[in-house]
Amino acid sequence: DAKTTQPPSMDCAEGRAANLPCNHSTISGNEYVYWYRQIHSQGPQYIIHGLKNNETNEMASLIITEDRKSSTLILPHATLRDTAVYYCIVRPHLTQGGSEKLVFGKGTKLTVNP
Amino acid sequence: EAEVAQSPRYKITEKSQAVAFWCDPISGHATLYWYRQILGQGPELLVQFQDESVVDDSQLPKDRFSAERLKGVDSTLKIQPAELGDSAMYLCASSFPTDTLNTEAFFGQGTRLTVV
Repeated sequence: DAKTTQPPSMDCAEGRAANLPCNHSTISGNEYVYWYRQIHSQGPQYIIHGLKNNETNEMASLIITEDRKSSTLILPHATLRDTAVYYCIVRPHLTQGGSEKLVFGKGTKLTVNP
Repeated sequence: EAEVAQSPRYKITEKSQAVAFWCDPISGHATLYWYRQILGQGPELLVQFQDESVVDDSQLPKDRFSAERLKGVDSTLKIQPAELGDSAMYLCASSFPTDTLNTEAFFGQGTRLTVV
């Protein structure tokens, strides 16, 4: 089962910031927070991930609370092409040689309106 | 930019027939995943490979599904016989180990299976 809770849907106006929340109150010390999005009929696309510090890349910013029990994905200037389902996932990083699976929940359907 | 390749993109098959999907991961990625995504739901892991070995197939319906990655590179997922309930998107993903710097998993475009 997914270890995260997200709102099922959100709306955002084009050009405004989209702030997508995620709760992961049972996160463990070696678990990272990953965000993916899935545009209709395409495979999931990696956005960003982090452990405890805030992260930023060309797509988005990830803000993780100090207690690591929740996080927010920020799309600073949403466009119509950002309309998608956004998945927040907690994934452990192994200390040697393996890769843990990504466990998807139902995500948040973000609709960017003109 | 390197991509995970999947084929076919779409497949329509009759129930009780056999069907196979192919995945070529990003070069150098030791970990390969097959996911199934039913419409309106998030992807669900079917099987995970580390090189040529199965790491997790706990959600794979082994009476009809099989997966292989013989040389630790590309992979095939097979369903025999297909049932109506197998209609879904089948996604392949690959990644480096999580003890490396680049840990994100990359997904292919998927194979949309319709069983009639």
